[in-house]
Amino acid sequence: AQSVTQPDIHITVSEGASLELRCNYSYGATPYLFWYVQSPGQGLQLLLKYFSGDTLVQGIKGFEAEFKRSQSSFNLRKPSVHWSDAAEYFCAVVLSGGYNKLIFGAGTRLAVHP
Amino acid sequence: DGGITQSPKYLFRKEGQNVTLSCEQNLNHDAMYWYRQDPGQGLRLIYYSQIVNDFQKGDIAEGYSVSREKKESFPLTVTSAQKNPTAFYLCASGGGSEQYFGPGTRLTVT
Repeated sequence: AQSVTQPDIHITVSEGASLELRCNYSYGATPYLFWYVQSPGQGLQLLLKYFSGDTLVQGIKGFEAEFKRSQSSFNLRKPSVHWSDAAEYFCAVVLSGGYNKLIFGAGTRLAVHP
Repeated sequence: DGGITQSPKYLFRKEGQNVTLSCEQNLNHDAMYWYRQDPGQGLRLIYYSQIVNDFQKGDIAEGYSVSREKKESFPLTVTSAQKNPTAFYLCASGGGSEQYFGPGTRLTVT
């Protein structure tokens, strides 16, 4: 069955440090890939997406992600984390087949130390 | 201002009561979705609708019902048959492969 794995439940980084959040998917073909961010008690905001083409995609808030087909991964990166980046991050894939069903990972909660 | 609204933000109900969560969008999207979020489990799809007057069950539809009488509106009813209804509920609408989310409703049933 198709699935999305985010191996890290919690990550803590210092402000100004670099960040990489991991995401692996299990899917027969190349799916559409997304990263969303959720602040506490809020809805989800789309950070970036990959459909095809250049495997390095840029998103909002200084985030980027790289699609690696050979590793079935779509890791999210940011070169310098700000305290306001503390939130929960979800990786998701779209499962094709009649409607755009999003399959979500369990999320990674990011804490930022000053 | 285009977007998705959900009301209320917090909802409290007694066990055994049905409750309806509101979701409205003015993005002119055909597709709308309801998700449930529990700590450590990501989001799980309850129901979705691709077009007015049509909707389909998602992965965890038991104990829930929906209607789609208007393009802008997709209300979710949590019935007394839902065994564990306390959760954070998120509505989304979609154009193409992207989905846009509302701010959510936190339902507490005691």
